[in-house]
Amino acid sequence: AQSVSQHNHHVILSEAASLELGCNYSYGGTVNLFWYVQYPGQHLQLLLKYFSGDPLVKGIKGFEAEFIKSKFSFNLRKPSVQWSDTAEYFCAVNDHTGRRALTFGSGTRLQVQP
Amino acid sequence: DAGVIQSPRHEVTEMGQEVTLRCKPISGHNSLFWYRQTMMRGLELLIYFNNNVPIDDSGMPEDRFSAKMPNASFSTLKIQPSEPRDSAVYFCASSYGHSPTDTQYFGPGTRLTVL
Repeated sequence: AQSVSQHNHHVILSEAASLELGCNYSYGGTVNLFWYVQYPGQHLQLLLKYFSGDPLVKGIKGFEAEFIKSKFSFNLRKPSVQWSDTAEYFCAVNDHTGRRALTFGSGTRLQVQP
Repeated sequence: DAGVIQSPRHEVTEMGQEVTLRCKPISGHNSLFWYRQTMMRGLELLIYFNNNVPIDDSGMPEDRFSAKMPNASFSTLKIQPSEPRDSAVYFCASSYGHSPTDTQYFGPGTRLTVL
């Protein structure tokens, strides 16, 4: 069975600070990895995803994530956060066996202070 | 496009009552997913449909929960009878294609409170 760990539950940053949110998964096979964001009062939306190729993936709004297979990690980064990045961020995984359901991490609440 | 539509957005009911949550996927999408979000368990899949057929219902908690997709543009999740532990946010998502890499588009969720 898959599982996803997001160790940072609540992160507080000032505007212009750099961001890195951790995501580790447990699954021995080939995986697809996703980062979703939920802005206050809004629905979940996809930031970026990785399934093959270049392990450095660029997403919307200046976010990127790096897949490191040896570390079972898919950390989300942004060089300079803005107040509008205040949201909850979810890492998710599914695998290449065809089961399409996403297994989500517990989420990281990011608060950016102006 | 209107995106995934869910109704109601908020539902408050009493224990023992029947609750029906509704979802309209994005037009043209062939897969539909129901997820539940709670503080204790986070976001977890309940069931998903492909071309209106239930494919994986391993996340459905118990017989009190049932889901249907009578056509490509409508799905329901029913809880009968409801219990306080069913209180959660229920999300519907849809996607186009048959691959695990397909993006799932989420609706705004239904916040259910069972008293």
